[in-house]
Amino acid sequence: SQTIHQWPATLVQPVGSPLSLECTVEGTSNPNLYWYRQAAGRGLQLLFYSVGIGQISSEVPQNLSASRPQDRQFILSSKKLLLSDSGFYLCAWSRDRAEAFFGQGTRLTVV
Amino acid sequence: QKEVEQDPGPLSVPEGAIVSLNCTYSNSAFQYFMWYRQYSRKGPELLMYTYSSGNKEDGRFTAQVDKSSKYISLFIRDSQPSDSATYLCAMSVAGRRALTFGSGTRLQVQP
Repeated sequence: SQTIHQWPATLVQPVGSPLSLECTVEGTSNPNLYWYRQAAGRGLQLLFYSVGIGQISSEVPQNLSASRPQDRQFILSSKKLLLSDSGFYLCAWSRDRAEAFFGQGTRLTVV
Repeated sequence: QKEVEQDPGPLSVPEGAIVSLNCTYSNSAFQYFMWYRQYSRKGPELLMYTYSSGNKEDGRFTAQVDKSSKYISLFIRDSQPSDSATYLCAMSVAGRRALTFGSGTRLQVQP
């Protein structure tokens, strides 16, 4: 069966510090991978998606970037965090059908 | 206008009640429809997936899609306190890589 791992679960970072969130998927190959952000009481906003190694599409211009160095690894980064980067970050994967499967999320607080 | 509209709630019902959760959408190209359940501080969990009009049943859950009215519903029978969570509808266009989410409805089932 497929599993998705996302870490860390919570993170408190100062403004201007770098960020690296990692996500890995097990039990499948060549998945589509996604990073979403969820603000409190809001729906999920797609940030990035990837259909293969090194292939990244950005949906929203922002202070963040994504990379996919391996088939089942997806990384969300920032060089300098802003207060507005605070939120709940979710990694997800999908294959042949439309539904996506989510990790447990990282709650980021920028102080 | 948002592509997907969902009443944020909260919706409070007594244990054993039938719950009806709804979403409307404006994009007639949406073909795939999903419902996710999200517990506090956790990632969304896929509950139901459907790609056609009509009803789909899974245990206590029934998903209903009416493409002519651009309206989808999730019914929960014999609701339990453990059903207390936020329910997110999601949908996608064929060929689009990611999902469009509603903002979620918070459900509280009172024992």
